[in-house]
Amino acid sequence: DAKTTQPPSMDCAEGRAANLPCNHSTISGNEYVYWYRQIHSQGPQYIIHGLKNNETNEMASLIITEDRKSSTLILPHATLRDTAVYYCIVRVYAGGTSYGKLTFGQGTILTVHP
Amino acid sequence: NAGVTQTPKFRILKIGQSMTLQCTQDMNHNYMYWYRQDPGMGLKLIYYSVGAGITDKGEVPNGYNVSRSTTEDFPLRLELAAPSQTSVYFCASIRGSRNSPLHFGNGTRLTVT
Repeated sequence: DAKTTQPPSMDCAEGRAANLPCNHSTISGNEYVYWYRQIHSQGPQYIIHGLKNNETNEMASLIITEDRKSSTLILPHATLRDTAVYYCIVRVYAGGTSYGKLTFGQGTILTVHP
Repeated sequence: NAGVTQTPKFRILKIGQSMTLQCTQDMNHNYMYWYRQDPGMGLKLIYYSVGAGITDKGEVPNGYNVSRSTTEDFPLRLELAAPSQTSVYFCASIRGSRNSPLHFGNGTRLTVT
């Protein structure tokens, strides 16, 4: 799976948009970009994923650059409960046992301030 | 629909003791995984299973054993606990299709002293 690079920490004011970047310059054509977050002491929570098109769901938006070498997770109106570690993961679709073999780096610690 | 349930939430073991971390899921997922997370680090894969009766090693399997007798349950066994196994353990499951996300339990926090 492609390696990802994320800033170690970011701050955001409550109510503002939080934009979390991720570089995955070695991504290949069959690799998806996944975002998870981990709120203190809890299991990682799935947020969103995409292949090449931008995606939006009730939690967030995912913007993937045209060359697919980077992406940005957007939390449109951050709240204090969004304070967490955010992981950007690139996962190849190879079928079989690779489904759950995610490589978690150290992620970005997002702190939302009042 | 409870998702992935792990028990216990916390446990303290003495060196050399054994225990089983329980994991069950009610989503009828074939694929299940055990990860460990050391303080300030990402998750590392211990063992995984692609269905009842089938298990395989992940990145850090030493000191652990697993079994998968049913689709729902995937227990993780520590036979001779060591301080290096102090960690938070997460169980996860996935439906097993191109777009399906991994569902995690809330973890078992284990301390070995």
